[in-house]
Amino acid sequence: AQSVTQLDSQVPVFEEAPVELRCNYSSSVSVYLFWYVQYPNQGLQLLLKYLSGSTLVKGINGFEAEFNKSQTSFHLRKPSVHISDTAEYFCAVRGTNAGKSTFGDGTTLTVKP
Amino acid sequence: KAGVTQTPRYLIKTRGQQVTLSCSPISGHRSVSWYQQTPGQGLQFLFEYFSETQRNKGNFPGRFSGRQFSNSRSEMNVSTLELGDSALYLCASSLGFGGPYEQYFGPGTRLTVT
Repeated sequence: AQSVTQLDSQVPVFEEAPVELRCNYSSSVSVYLFWYVQYPNQGLQLLLKYLSGSTLVKGINGFEAEFNKSQTSFHLRKPSVHISDTAEYFCAVRGTNAGKSTFGDGTTLTVKP
Repeated sequence: KAGVTQTPRYLIKTRGQQVTLSCSPISGHRSVSWYQQTPGQGLQFLFEYFSETQRNKGNFPGRFSGRQFSNSRSEMNVSTLELGDSALYLCASSLGFGGPYEQYFGPGTRLTVT
C-alpha cells in the first residue's frame, strides 16, 4: 500500500516569486510519482512524472520536481510563478506493477499580484 | 486526438435513485479508472478496468459498480443514492495496466444528490 502526504494545504505567494509545493510518500514497493494540476471545474492535468532515471524531472508550464529516494519526497518547484498558476496541485504515487494511483489531499496555490 | 470524455457533465438526483455515468477513453487506451473527489475526502480510488476486467477496487460499498465494454468505454453505476454520494466523479484512461503509463483525466461528472 502507498500513502501520500502533501505538507501544505495552502500556499500563498506573490507573482514572480519562486514556489515549492512539498510531497512526501511512503510505499513498500517501487513507485512512479506524478504531479497534477486542477483548475476550477476541470479534471486533472499531468504536470510531470518520475518513472526512472534522472531524479530531476521537468514538466509543463515551467514546473520541475526532484525525486529524493532517501527522504521519500517529490517536491514541486517553479522559479517564478504567474497569476495563471493559481490552482490546486496534487501529488500522486503508483506502484510500478499496479494500476491505481494514490493521491495526496492537494495544495491550493494562490498567486497574488 | 480527442481527450477523455465523460457524460453527463452535471447531474442532479434524488436520494434513493440510481445513476449511471459514462466515460469514453482516449482512442487506443485500454485501461479506465474511476475516482471520487469530495472536499472532505479528496480523491478516492473507486475501481480500474483493463480489457473488460476489473483489476483493482477501492474501499467503497457494493452500491458502487462499474463495467468496461469491448471498445474500452466504461460506465459506473451508483444505486440507492445517498446525500454523501454528491461529488465530482473523475474518469482516467491510460494505454495499459501497471507499468509506466500516464493517466489522462476527463473533466468529470458533477453529481448532486438532494
